[in-house]
Amino acid sequence: QQQVKQSPQSLIVQKGGISIINCAYENTAFDYFPWYQQFPGKGPALLIAIRPDVSEKKEGRFTISFNKSAKQFSLHIMDSQPGDSATYFCAASRQGAQKLVFGQGTRLTINP
Amino acid sequence: DTAVSQTPKYLVTQMGNDKSIKCEQNLGHDTMYWYKQDSKKFLKIMFSYNNKELIINETVPNRFSPKSPDKAHLNLHINSLELGDSAVYFCASSQYGSGRWGTGELFFGEGSRLTVL
Repeated sequence: QQQVKQSPQSLIVQKGGISIINCAYENTAFDYFPWYQQFPGKGPALLIAIRPDVSEKKEGRFTISFNKSAKQFSLHIMDSQPGDSATYFCAASRQGAQKLVFGQGTRLTINP
Repeated sequence: DTAVSQTPKYLVTQMGNDKSIKCEQNLGHDTMYWYKQDSKKFLKIMFSYNNKELIINETVPNRFSPKSPDKAHLNLHINSLELGDSAVYFCASSQYGSGRWGTGELFFGEGSRLTVL
């Protein structure tokens, strides 16, 4: 049972473009939605997160958009750079539950 | 100073063998985890310990046995290794209420790549 579905599996964007990765969740009890970034040979690292009481969260070039009624959230990377090339994971959990459910991951490649 | 360290980084072994992976965190966190990342990069939680107590045990074969001697260490022992156990195993730690959003950000180690031949 895949509780968090992520798309696309892979994405190629030109330098300076906008990268968009989408996630959909099923469990309406989820109330914490982080995005993790993983470089080859490294563990995932928290990039940005959002709670459902806001529809958007921005940190630098990274923005999460959240649509509670559609049970969807997305990551937007503005002015994408080659250094952003990595695998991105969306995730979800319930507050107080120490279990993050991850999406399948998106391999992002930014062409110079 | 590495926050979450795992050893070994690479492990190549034959089917049927027993192997262990060790993990240590120096962040003072009270919760530690084992995640498995398969060849398609899918990350799935296996176990979680809070202050040495097992709190999450997903549907993992009982050939996998975690052990937490103290809250800074979480080891994973795997008996009778099978081909399907080949994966990257990540240790992680968190402290509820900490982190940038007060939700207990997960800090991952660099992973231990297990190859079963």
